[in-house]
This record gives sequence, structure tokens and C-alpha cells, in this order.
Amino acid sequence: EAQVTQNPRYLITVTGKKLTVTCSQNMNHEYMSWYRQDPGLGLRQIYYSMNVEVTDKGDVPEGYKVSRKEKRNFPLILESPSPNQTSLYFCASRHYRLQGTIYEQYFGPGTRLTVT
Amino acid sequence: AQSVTQLDSQVPVFEEAPVELRCNYSSSVSVYLFWYVQYPNQGLQLLLKYLSGSTLVKGINGFEAEFNKSQTSFHLRKPSVHISDTAEYFCAVRNNAGNMLTFGGGTRLMVKP
Repeated sequence: EAQVTQNPRYLITVTGKKLTVTCSQNMNHEYMSWYRQDPGLGLRQIYYSMNVEVTDKGDVPEGYKVSRKEKRNFPLILESPSPNQTSLYFCASRHYRLQGTIYEQYFGPGTRLTVT
Repeated sequence: AQSVTQLDSQVPVFEEAPVELRCNYSSSVSVYLFWYVQYPNQGLQLLLKYLSGSTLVKGINGFEAEFNKSQTSFHLRKPSVHISDTAEYFCAVRNNAGNMLTFGGGTRLMVKP
């Protein structure tokens, strides 16, 4: 089954304790991205990657890091989490735009993070 | 830069009534437009998309949307809603460079019996 998986689905942590949220897709997609969802703000893009070893900042990258060492994985790293990073996080993937084709973006189930 | 505004944060409606969820966008270049649905405790699912061609786009679950370039709008409609349509709906825009998808703040549709 084609899917985007995220782990963990729920995480409660304390300020300053480094954490990683994993994201993996099995559709051989070039493009992957991370979003955070906050009430009234919709989804805001944190980082995206157009292929292995190619990453770029989205709208709200502060406090986050990513890496893309393999095509299927795109982990989100919070080196020193703070309470304002409490949010619902979504990973997404799609094929990269090729010859004018717009591909559908597939979303993971979400990771609810609470930083106390 | 591009932005998306969903004018209503919540829309309560009775079952079998029609509904319209409003979406306006701004962009200096051509865009592609999307509506996503998020059911409680789930990820986002694509409802429909406008890429080019006919301005009336039909999606899953009986939803449709109309692209209006002059009004920079992409409103979502359904002629008769069901309880199962209760969810949050997000309008999104991607520019023709295709690198970033920008979402609106979401509209919570609440269908009452």
C-alpha cells in the first residue's frame, strides 16, 4: 500500500531535550516536506526537499533541522524544543514537477508533539 | 509571495442543506489550486484540484469548486451535505514553480442532524 508513515504519532517531551520525528514514504517520491498545523493558521511549511541531499527552508524553519540522506526518509529534528513548538506535524511527499505535470501530494497521519 | 484566506473558520449547517466554503488567494504568478479535507484525527486527503481548463472542478464525495480568476477565488460547494462531511477543509495554492504549497487557515464544517 502506498503510504507516508510518521513516528511517533504522539510525543510529550520537555524543553531542551533533542528529539527526532521520522518520516518515510514508499512511493519513490522525489519531493518531501514537513508542515506544522496550528489552530486558525492552517498548515505552514517548515522545510522541504526536492531530492536526496537537497533541502530548503519553508515559511517557518526556525528551531528545526532536516536531512535527506535517502530518498524514502526525511526526518525532522528539534535540537532544543521549546513550548512554542507544541503542534501537530505532518510529513508529505509527491513526485517532483516534471514536464508540466502537477502531482498529488500525500500526507502522513500526523505527529502530535507537546513540549512542556 | 502567495497567500490563502479562508473567510469562515466554522460553518454550521443542517444535514441535506447546501454549503459553500469560501477561499480567496493572492499571487503574482499563475497558480494551481487545491482543496483538502481532514477528518478528525486523520491526515489530509485531496478533495479536488484546479490546474487549468474548465473552471468548474468536480471532486470526491460530491464536492465541486469553481475557479474565478477575476475574483481570485476558489470556493468549494456541495448541494446536499451529510453528517459524514463533518471535517476541516483546507484550501491551498501552489505557484507555477511548484516548490511550495501554501494553505489557508481552514474551515471547520459542522453538519447537524
